[in-house]
Amino acid sequence: GNSVTQMEGPVTLSEEAFLTINCTYTATGYPSLFWYVQYPGEGLQLLLKATKADDKGSNKGFEATYRKETTSFHLEKGSVQVSDSAVYFCALVPGTYKYIFGTGTRLKVLA
Amino acid sequence: NAGVMQNPRHLVRRRGQEARLRCSPMKGHSHVYWYRQLPEEGLKFMVYLQKENIIDESGMPKERFSAEFPKEGPSILRIQQVVRGDSAAYFCASSPPGDRSQPQHFGDGTRLSIL
Repeated sequence: GNSVTQMEGPVTLSEEAFLTINCTYTATGYPSLFWYVQYPGEGLQLLLKATKADDKGSNKGFEATYRKETTSFHLEKGSVQVSDSAVYFCALVPGTYKYIFGTGTRLKVLA
Repeated sequence: NAGVMQNPRHLVRRRGQEARLRCSPMKGHSHVYWYRQLPEEGLKFMVYLQKENIIDESGMPKERFSAEFPKEGPSILRIQQVVRGDSAAYFCASSPPGDRSQPQHFGDGTRLSIL
C-alpha cells in the first residue's frame, strides 16, 4: 500500500541552525510528493512539490529532492528563523487525488 | 481572501446532536475534498466531491457521516448523533477542474469539540 513516514518531533533548533526533516514513502507507480506547513490554528499551506524523480522543489529557502532510489523526500533549510516554527507535513499523491499525509513534524525555533 | 473558506472555525456540540460544517472552494475550483485530523496526527482523506456528485467516499465512516456539494452553495459535511470520538479538526480542500493532480488548496479548518 501507499504510506508516508516522517521523523517524529518535536524538533527544537536555535535560530540560523540547519534543518532537516526526514520523509520516506512507500508507493506503487510514480507519485507526486508535497510538503505542507501548518501554522497554529490555520490550515495547511503548500510549501513545495516535486512530481518526478530527481525533481527539486524549493520555496522560501526550503528545499526537497525527490529521490526514487531511496524513496525519500527530505525537507531542508540552511538557516531557520523563529517564524518557521510550525508543523510540517509530507504528503504523497499516488497518481490520483487522494493525498496521503505523514503524521507531521513539529518544529520549534528558539531566538 | 479568495481562498478556501470554512465555517464555523470552531463548533461545540453535545453528544447526540448534529454538526454541519461548510466549505466554499476557491473561485473557479470544482473539486472539493474533506479531511479529518485527529490530535497529533496527520490528515486522513474522507471524501471527494464534484458539483452534485460524490466521486469517492471511501474514507468516510459508513454511519452518521454524509457530504454534499450542491449545484449552488457550499459543500456541507454533516455528522449526525455526534460522539466524543468525532472531536477533531475537519479540513476542506479544493482544486481546479481538469487535472486532479494539481495541488489542493486547504481552508483553515473547523475544530469540532464534543462535550
